[in-house]
Amino acid sequence: GAGVSQTPSNKVTEKGKYVELRCDPISGHTALYWYRQSLGQGPEFLIYFQGTGAADDSGLPNDRFFAVRPEGSVSTLKIQRTERGDSAVYLCASSLTGEGAGNTEAFFGQGTRLTVV
Amino acid sequence: RKEVEQDPGPFNVPEGATVAFNCTYSNSASQSFFWYRQDCRKEPKLLMSVYSSGNEDGSFTAQLNRASQYISLLIRDSKLSDSATYLCVVNKGSYIPTFGRGTSLIVHP
Repeated sequence: GAGVSQTPSNKVTEKGKYVELRCDPISGHTALYWYRQSLGQGPEFLIYFQGTGAADDSGLPNDRFFAVRPEGSVSTLKIQRTERGDSAVYLCASSLTGEGAGNTEAFFGQGTRLTVV
Repeated sequence: RKEVEQDPGPFNVPEGATVAFNCTYSNSASQSFFWYRQDCRKEPKLLMSVYSSGNEDGSFTAQLNRASQYISLLIRDSKLSDSATYLCVVNKGSYIPTFGRGTSLIVHP
């Protein structure tokens, strides 16, 4: 596709449920990032993939959060036992390359707005 | 201390005004710096990279001061369409964009 695609655009779920958020990066981009953004705040880093591997997952808040990128393209962010505090916009970004890239632009998807009720 | 700090504003200025935003970062080893723009309920988009020698793009000028660990963005002759949130971004290591909370700009007629 022309840009980073995220689905669904909106997700409402009940507290305690499991959710999956999908990101389809720009074709050929090896670096993929997940962020979480709350109202009035900047995007907060969650996890970075270089190819298929999670190169840095230091931003994941706890073990309820997990992400995969099995074929080095599409990524899925998985949240178990959702809590009301997980409500936020989840943003995915991709860039042509990651490490050593210097000033490489990150392109963002439009995000998934997650609401936990 | 947050890795990237910005004054959230809002900065409320008339059309045609010049406005400047600053951003400070904590990691002296940071190598790459950017300004992103985010419109309400939209995704962030790259406005400009920031180079050590300073750089301009139309009415936008970005400066980097490594010694003091701050980045600035100057907007000249501001337009209504410049109203947005401006996000300061510093790459952690060389590859993970770390965002400030953003500075809100409102340009009014």
